Amino acid sequence: DIVMTQSPDSLAVSLGERATINCKSSQSVLYSSHNKNYLAWYQQKPGQTPNLLIYWASTRESGVPDRFSGSGSGTDFTLTISSLQAEDVAVYYCQQYYTTPLTFGGGTRVEIK
Amino acid sequence: EVQLLESGGGLVQPGGSLSLSCAASGFTFSDYAMNWVRQAPGKGLEWVSGISVSGSSTYYADSVKGRFSISRDNSKNTLYLQMNNLRVDDTAMYYCARAGIEVITTAPVDYWGQGTLITVSS
Repeated sequence: DIVMTQSPDSLAVSLGERATINCKSSQSVLYSSHNKNYLAWYQQKPGQTPNLLIYWASTRESGVPDRFSGSGSGTDFTLTISSLQAEDVAVYYCQQYYTTPLTFGGGTRVEIK
Repeated sequence: EVQLLESGGGLVQPGGSLSLSCAASGFTFSDYAMNWVRQAPGKGLEWVSGISVSGSSTYYADSVKGRFSISRDNSKNTLYLQMNNLRVDDTAMYYCARAGIEVITTAPVDYWGQGTLITVSS
């Protein structure tokens, strides 16, 4: 199984500042023939279901604000919130969909400092 | 509008069985692979099982393999999860989840149901 490891477990960021979340996979999720990374990011606000933010490691889902961006390739990935807003308070998860079992990272809780 | 509506949750004793259903609407159900994802209280997300568009291929997390069975009825736009020999650590909210790329089984989840709570306790 591919193990997804997120860091940090939690972070507190001031409004308007940058938040950075890291995700590392135990093996590459880059499908070389497609040159695509099978990596997604989700946001789960308190009391809500998860919401897809990013797929193919860096493609924003429709309707997702452009302050959210994804980067990385192979085994190391980053989700960046360029200017944190109050509504971004949530737990963020990375997920690989390169192979089954699909696996999620443990989550990163983002709070306002 | 895509809608996924789970049902069948509840309280069950360890060793018991339960069957979940997910009624899908707002999209061509037979064009998308489907998944079950669970979340234990206060914990993270765990993928449980997935099924191909035709239902001919099924996939399971090691934690449920041999105990859970996923199926679908494309004529009824419904996804199922049969859960047997339930354990206390199966207690969780179970979400029906659509694979977000047509036909492809391994895809990010683009729509989630509201979930149905399974509590395994004596």
